[in-house]
Amino acid sequence: GIQVEQSPPDLILQEGANSTLRCNFSDSVNNLQWFHQNPWGQLINLFYIPSGTKQNGRLSATTVATERYSLLYISSSQTTDSGVYFCAASTSGTYKYIFGTGTRLKVLA
Amino acid sequence: DGGITQSPKYLFRKEGQNVTLSCEQNLNHDAMYWYRQDPGQGLRLIYYSQIVNDFQKGDIAEGYSVSREKKESFPLTVTSAQKNPTAFYLCASKPDGYTEAFFGQGTRLTVV
Repeated sequence: GIQVEQSPPDLILQEGANSTLRCNFSDSVNNLQWFHQNPWGQLINLFYIPSGTKQNGRLSATTVATERYSLLYISSSQTTDSGVYFCAASTSGTYKYIFGTGTRLKVLA
Repeated sequence: DGGITQSPKYLFRKEGQNVTLSCEQNLNHDAMYWYRQDPGQGLRLIYYSQIVNDFQKGDIAEGYSVSREKKESFPLTVTSAQKNPTAFYLCASKPDGYTEAFFGQGTRLTVV
């Protein structure tokens, strides 16, 4: 089945800094999603992005399906951006939705 | 309000007992999922269901069982065969195979 890997595993930033999180996947995908898990464990949908580029405020994401990776950009980070960021993907012909290992982000005031 | 409801939020059980976690959705989604998360780790897929009366094993199905008798419900039973059941369990649903997934709030299971 598909393998999903994320980097870096941990990231510490000062408030106001920018960052790029990466998600690599081992096969062609028909679903690709980014989530933010808050300290209470809730998974918040950020982007559904199997291909192309999307932006939502300070966050944007790009998926290059042909090269099997997706990037999540966080600009002007805030302490509330802290938490774990996950990507999840599935391939054509299956509903099996697999998560990456996550990037743990800490933004310092 | 439309959404996914997991209950209870916290659950305590004695070792050796089976326990069932509830997941209900009123979004009319076809697909439903169960994931397990251990502290500091990612989400691992236990079972998923594409349609009523059908489900498939995920990557860590041993010691778990599910049913999908109704479109809106996908309960997960953690059996006594699951060696380390203490974890955070998350349920999700998707309209179909080509759209985003939505998650419930999760159930924290502690087995003592």
